[in-house]
Amino acid sequence: DQQVKQNSPSLSVQEGRISILNCDYTNSMFDYFLWYKKYPAEGPTFLISISSIKDKNEDGRFTVFLNKSAKHLSLHIVPSQPGDSAVYFCAAKTQGGSEKLVFGKGTKLTVNP
Amino acid sequence: EAQVTQNPRYLITVTGKKLTVTCSQNMNHEYMSWYRQDPGLGLRQIYYSMNVEVTDKGDVPEGYKVSRKEKRNFPLILESPSPNQTSLYFCASKNTGLAKNIQYFGAGTRLSVL
Repeated sequence: DQQVKQNSPSLSVQEGRISILNCDYTNSMFDYFLWYKKYPAEGPTFLISISSIKDKNEDGRFTVFLNKSAKHLSLHIVPSQPGDSAVYFCAAKTQGGSEKLVFGKGTKLTVNP
Repeated sequence: EAQVTQNPRYLITVTGKKLTVTCSQNMNHEYMSWYRQDPGLGLRQIYYSMNVEVTDKGDVPEGYKVSRKEKRNFPLILESPSPNQTSLYFCASKNTGLAKNIQYFGAGTRLSVL
């Protein structure tokens, strides 16, 4: 069963507009969520994260929102830039001793000039 | 520069020929992990290590071995590779400090088994 779901394989937006990437999860034991960005021929790089005790975390152009009741989180990029074009992975970690990250399948974002 | 280094970056091999993909980190991280990425499946954990001489299976460990004799190194061993192990592999490490939930990834190893 897929515990972390990114239902949109791809997203295309215009430069300067907002990009919204969505992620749903099923496991109530997840207490920490991360977004990673991946460029071709490179490894995933950490972008932003949020703890389950918060509903929003902001870092520059990137904001992550968490709706625990809906088991949904989203990543907002404002304004979007062509350099943001990449695959974005949502990941989740359970509370307790396990260090395992569970990843979604990723969403490919294309920002058009 | 803090980094996770994987070698080789690209590898083409034949079925049954043993191979090792090396992973080294210079951040003194206790935790290290191997993932594989396949189209439409995201990243799936193969094995992980909480510290030296402590390893455990992830979600897809079949056909793989690992060892953790030193803190900085975590090699992935394919004793008898098969075509279904053709994939993109990533090594990751994590500290136990303030940013303890963030894993840092290597650049990846693209493996083709013919």
